[in-house]
Amino acid sequence: DIQMTQSPSTLSASVGDRVTITCRASQSISSWLAWYQQKPGKAPKLLIYKASNLENGVPSRFSGSGSGTEFTLTISSLQPDDFATYYCQHYNSFSLTFGGGTQVEIK
Amino acid sequence: QVYLVESGGAVVQPGTSLRLSCGASGFTFSSFGMHWVRQAPGKGLEWVAFMWYDGSNKNYADSVKGRFSISRDNSKNTLYLQMNSLRVEDTAVYYCSRGYTGSYYPDYWGQGTLVTVSS
Repeated sequence: DIQMTQSPSTLSASVGDRVTITCRASQSISSWLAWYQQKPGKAPKLLIYKASNLENGVPSRFSGSGSGTEFTLTISSLQPDDFATYYCQHYNSFSLTFGGGTQVEIK
Repeated sequence: QVYLVESGGAVVQPGTSLRLSCGASGFTFSSFGMHWVRQAPGKGLEWVAFMWYDGSNKNYADSVKGRFSISRDNSKNTLYLQMNSLRVEDTAVYYCSRGYTGSYYPDYWGQGTLVTVSS
C-alpha cells in the first residue's frame, strides 16, 4: 500500500510569509495528488488537483508542484484566512490515501 | 450548486449496527463515483469506502472491510454506508464526497455526520 507522509506536522508563520508544505509518497504516484484545506468543524476544501492544477475559485497565492514521490504546496503570501490544516491525498480509481496533515498556526 | 447532506449519525454501543445516508442534489448523481471519508476526534482524514457511479465496483479500507458496506440508489440520489459490528475506534465524523469524473478525487464534500461508539 502507498503511504503519504507530510512535513512538517505543525508550522508557525506570520501573515505575509511564504509557506511550503511537503508531501512524500512511498512509491511513485505520477501526478495523482490533491491538496485540501480544512478548518475546525468544517469539511475539507479542495485546493489543488493533479499535483499542480488550481481548483476553480481558489486564490492564486496557492500553488502545487511535484511529481513521482515528492510534492509541495506553497502559499505565496499567507493571509489570515489561511490558518488551517492542510492535507495531501493520493487518489486512483479505487481508493484515496491521505497524508497526516499540516497545521498552519499563527506565529 | 452541488449539495451533499449526510444523516444517520448517532451514539451507539459497540457491536451494534448503523446506516448512514448521503443525499445528493445539484448534479447528475448517477454519473459520479462517491466516497465515504471519516475523521476521528482531533485526528486526520481516513478514507473508508468508494463506489463507482453505477455501483459496479466498490472498495474498502482494510480497517472496515467485512464490517461496512457501501451502496447507492441512483433513483433516489442517495449514497449509503451500512456499518456493522461497530467498534469504539469507529467513532468519527463521517463525510460523503463526490469523486470528480475520470479522476475520482473528492471535489465536493458534505458537512459530515457524527458517529459515536461507546458503552
